[in-house]
Amino acid sequence: EVQLLESGGGLVQPGGSLRLSCAASGFTFRNYAVSWVRQAPGKGLEWVSSISGTGGSTYYADSVKGRFAISRDNSKNTLYLQMSSLRAGDTAIYYCAKDKVFDIWGQGTMVTVSS
Amino acid sequence: DIQMTQSPSSLSTFVGDRVTITCRASQSISSHLNWFQHKPGEAPKLLIYSASSLQSGVSSRFSGSGSGADFTLTISYLQPEDFATYFCQQSYTTPWTFGQGTKVEIK
Repeated sequence: EVQLLESGGGLVQPGGSLRLSCAASGFTFRNYAVSWVRQAPGKGLEWVSSISGTGGSTYYADSVKGRFAISRDNSKNTLYLQMSSLRAGDTAIYYCAKDKVFDIWGQGTMVTVSS
Repeated sequence: DIQMTQSPSSLSTFVGDRVTITCRASQSISSHLNWFQHKPGEAPKLLIYSASSLQSGVSSRFSGSGSGADFTLTISYLQPEDFATYFCQQSYTTPWTFGQGTKVEIK
């Protein structure tokens, strides 16, 4: 079964850092781009970042550029999102999603930025 | 950035009805338009990709149409499990952007 499973969410103070992980299974991970998408409480979906299959190309939303870093370890079938300088506005459920059309999503991990 | 505008933002309807949701892009995106279903506490689910292609395993009650800047998602004969929020998303260019969502509720 094709599956994505996020982890690493939690409560962090403003200005703090957090690293999210997304473990992939059931498909050849290195062959696909993967992305992070978030949903703030009561809001719609917002694309955050994407990375190519090799990891050689990365893309970011302006709202996180310079603060977040996406990476992947194809030997571990795992996607990461290193988040720093976190703000209250980053509070959201963070999902990882497979391929350009987001054909598979994980269940999400909640990140709360609050003092 | 390409803005995606969905309408309506919510609708209340009966089991068995036909539902139509529209999505308009702020510029032409050819057929690079995807539709998702999202239920609380669950992972979003891809329904339609490239404007009109049905994702594998998705009920044929779901269909998509349109190209350029105007798109439609149609759910024929609404079932209880179809009550959810639906989002459109453009995959034409980064930043990938989503519509604000349409919540389909039971009347």
